[in-house]
Amino acid sequence: EAAVTQSPRNKVAVTGGKVTLSCNQTNNHNNMYWYRQDTGHGLRLIHYSYGAGSTEKGDIPDGYKASRPSQENFSLILELATPSQTSVYFCASGDGGLGLYEQYFGPGTRLTVL
Amino acid sequence: GDSVIQMQGQVTLSENDFLFINCTYSTTGYPTLFWYVQYSGEGPQLLLQVTTANNKGSSRGFEATYDKGTTSFHLQKTSVQEIDSAVYYCAMKDSNYQLIWGSGTKLIIKP
Repeated sequence: EAAVTQSPRNKVAVTGGKVTLSCNQTNNHNNMYWYRQDTGHGLRLIHYSYGAGSTEKGDIPDGYKASRPSQENFSLILELATPSQTSVYFCASGDGGLGLYEQYFGPGTRLTVL
Repeated sequence: GDSVIQMQGQVTLSENDFLFINCTYSTTGYPTLFWYVQYSGEGPQLLLQVTTANNKGSSRGFEATYDKGTTSFHLQKTSVQEIDSAVYYCAMKDSNYQLIWGSGTKLIIKP
């Protein structure tokens, strides 16, 4: 069974602080994604990766960095957190080869920046 | 550029009602279209994939249709149940093999 896990599940941070959200997948997928989900906006892509060592900017990358140190792990880093980054963050993995475009999502991380 | 528009933010139905959710898309290529479902407290999960080759898909009692002429695709279910309460997202694969997401439709089923 495909598995994407995220940690922490809930996080409260202070404005200006550094936040790291972690994601691990056991699907052996090449592609990994970070989204944020806000009411009225649906899912918005922040960063994604095609494999270890690769990170690409998505639609809303400002204020976020990403790191893909291995096939299994993909982190999202907020160097200077702001209240506008309060949201639910989802990590996903997928393999775009052979016409398989399904993305498998983790359970999400609820981030509150005070 | 490629885009997906999902206009219905919320749909409220009673059990056994007919469900119909619509999305429109814009692309210069051949679209590959998806419906994802997100239950409360979980991440989204794939419900249906529709390609130009099939233009119709079905899963778990849901059916997805695709109309090239109107560049729209629909999700429907004949008789919804309370367990179908969720947020439904339409999505489309873009030229970079990423997904473009609609804004989601929250389905509320009155018992």
